[in-house]
Amino acid sequence: EDKVVQSPLSLVVHEGDTVTLNCSYEVTNFRSLLWYKQEKKAPTFLFMLTSSGIEKKSGRLSSILDKKELFSILNITATQTGDSAVYLCAVLLYNNNDMRFGAGTRLTVKP
Amino acid sequence: DGGITQSPKYLFRKEGQNVTLSCEQNLNHDAMYWYRQDPGQGLRLIYYSQIVNDFQKGDIAEGYSVSREKKESFPLTVTSAQKNPTAFYLCASTMTSGTGELFFGEGSRLTVL
Repeated sequence: EDKVVQSPLSLVVHEGDTVTLNCSYEVTNFRSLLWYKQEKKAPTFLFMLTSSGIEKKSGRLSSILDKKELFSILNITATQTGDSAVYLCAVLLYNNNDMRFGAGTRLTVKP
Repeated sequence: DGGITQSPKYLFRKEGQNVTLSCEQNLNHDAMYWYRQDPGQGLRLIYYSQIVNDFQKGDIAEGYSVSREKKESFPLTVTSAQKNPTAFYLCASTMTSGTGELFFGEGSRLTVL
């Protein structure tokens, strides 16, 4: 059975802290791994990772994939209250473009 | 502007009633999806469609039905057979020939009274 596991499920930090969110997966026909940020309603796309070891960066956010150990991390440096959200990890499979989501990590950044 | 529009945003239903959630996209995407989101469980796939007049069950299709008569539209009906329908429903779409990134609507929150 394909599964995506995120940890921790929730995290509370203070502004300025650095956080690392984890995503591990066990799937067949892996195509790519995606990170989404969900604040109130629609998840918004952050990163898509297809190759191991290549870090993707966008401002204070960065992410990397390890296809040998089957995991990815999402780093957020110098956190701000606006980073408070649920961060979803999803794995895209080759068969039928099926996408499997993890349960999400709820990040709360306190002032 | 291109995007995915879901309606209604909030919906209340009495037990035993069917309800239909609308999803329309003008992105010219060929694949469309319906997900259900419950607290602490992430997104679970209900149904998906890769082409007009064809759709497949996802992991939790029981108690739901869909249709795909037009490329732009993928409505979801929550039937009275769905035992626990109160949830947040998200519609998404993508190009099957593209990167696979999903684009999401704003969601519909259904509450059964």
